[in-house]
Amino acid sequence: KAGVTQTPRYLIKTRGQQVTLSCSPISGHRSVSWYQQTPGQGLQFLFEYFSETQRNKGNFPGRFSGRQFSNSRSEMNVSTLELGDSALYLCASSWVGRNTGELFFGEGSRLTVL
Amino acid sequence: DAKTTQPNSMESNEEEPVHLPCNHSTISGTDYIHWYRQLPSQGPEYVIHGLTSNVNNRMASLAIAEDRKSSTLILHRATLRDAAVYYCILRDDGSSNTGKLIFGQGTTLQVKP
Repeated sequence: KAGVTQTPRYLIKTRGQQVTLSCSPISGHRSVSWYQQTPGQGLQFLFEYFSETQRNKGNFPGRFSGRQFSNSRSEMNVSTLELGDSALYLCASSWVGRNTGELFFGEGSRLTVL
Repeated sequence: DAKTTQPNSMESNEEEPVHLPCNHSTISGTDYIHWYRQLPSQGPEYVIHGLTSNVNNRMASLAIAEDRKSSTLILHRATLRDAAVYYCILRDDGSSNTGKLIFGQGTTLQVKP
């Protein structure tokens, strides 16, 4: 069974640019969540999508946005990049309905902003 | 969300048991205790979870104090592959079916050969 796939794995952008990251969840999983990981702040929840609707949102500015498609694949976008957006962006999928609520994480997309 | 407190780091010798503590004094009655770990250069992975009773699975055991204000993740025989950051997370019953986890700083476990 294929795991959570994130693309691209690595990317470099400059300040002011925008970036789009992609996440393909495990087949059958309808919930996709995004997290940002930095050395200073650790792992922080960005937002969650379920059935193409955002149902949870973390405390991040509006420059961070996302969407989910009918096949559950998700994308997140960061506009007007800042140096502080350099981070590992992790995607997690889960099968809503299981009482464990176990999340399956991808390996992440490492973004460097210069 | 209720907060957890973990030691920043711990060391263990290979093939010895490891007890990773977690304090959660403000835990509510509907909070589940979840553990995830993050190996180097990987995303976090689920380890185990429990509510009141001790739990065992193929990866680890979870011992929960009677008053639920603390818990301990037990790795019965540490291997080098167990070197990771271990996160203790509380999830209330209402959020257990969502993709939202509140991570703390976790415990960095070093395993010595």
